[in-house]
Amino acid sequence: AQSVAQPEDQVNVAEGNPLTVKCTYSVSGNPYLFWYVQYPNRGLQFLLKYITGDNLVKGSYGFEAEFNKSQTSFHLKKPSALVSDSALYFCAVRDSGNTGKLIFGQGTTLQVKP
Amino acid sequence: GAVVSQHPSRVICKSGTSVKIECRSLDFQATTMFWYRQFPKKSLMLMATSNEGSKATYEQGVEKDKFLINHASLTLSTLTVTSAHPEDSSFYICSARAGSRSSYNSPLHFGNGTRLTVT
Repeated sequence: AQSVAQPEDQVNVAEGNPLTVKCTYSVSGNPYLFWYVQYPNRGLQFLLKYITGDNLVKGSYGFEAEFNKSQTSFHLKKPSALVSDSALYFCAVRDSGNTGKLIFGQGTTLQVKP
Repeated sequence: GAVVSQHPSRVICKSGTSVKIECRSLDFQATTMFWYRQFPKKSLMLMATSNEGSKATYEQGVEKDKFLINHASLTLSTLTVTSAHPEDSSFYICSARAGSRSSYNSPLHFGNGTRLTVT
C-alpha cells in the first residue's frame, strides 16, 4: 500500500532562515507526490507535485521540493521563511488504485518566528 | 479556477439529529469527489470516494449508514451525518479533481471545511 510519513510533528524556524519539512514515501511503482498547506479552519491548498522529470520541483509561494529516489524522500523547502508561512503542511501520495485518491501524511506544523 | 465550495462552514447540532454538508465544484465538473475527516491531532482520514451517479466507495471502518454520501450531479456531492453523536464532532473536508481518470496526476482542490459540533 502507498504511504507517506512526516517524521516531524512541528518545525520551528526563524524568519529569513531556510526551512525544510520532511517527507518520506513508500510506494509500489512510480511515486506521484504532492505537498499541501492548511491554514487554521480552512481546507488544503496545493503547493506542488512531483510526477516525473526534474527532481527539484518548484511550487507556489516560493516553495520547492526535492525528490530523492534513493532515500525515498520528498522534502519541502524554502530558502527564506516568512512568518506568514506558519501553517500545517501535508505530504501526500496518489493511491495506486483506480480512483486517484490521495493518501496524506500526519502533517507537520511549521512555526516561523519573527 | 478550480474552486470547491463547501457549506456550511460551521454547524452545531443536537445529539440524535442529522446534518447535511454540501460540496460544490464551482467552475469545473467533478465525476469524483472525496470526503475527508480531520481529527484534532491534525491527521486527515479519507472517509469515502463519491462517484457521480453511483454509490460511494467507503474506506474500511467508515459506517456507510451513518455517513450518507450522495453525488447527484457533476458539481455537487453531499455528506449527511445521520443520528449525530458527540464523537462525530470533527472537521470535515471535501475535495475534487477536475476532469476524468486521465487527470489523476492533477492536484485535488479542497473546500474550506465544515466544523461540526454535536452537543
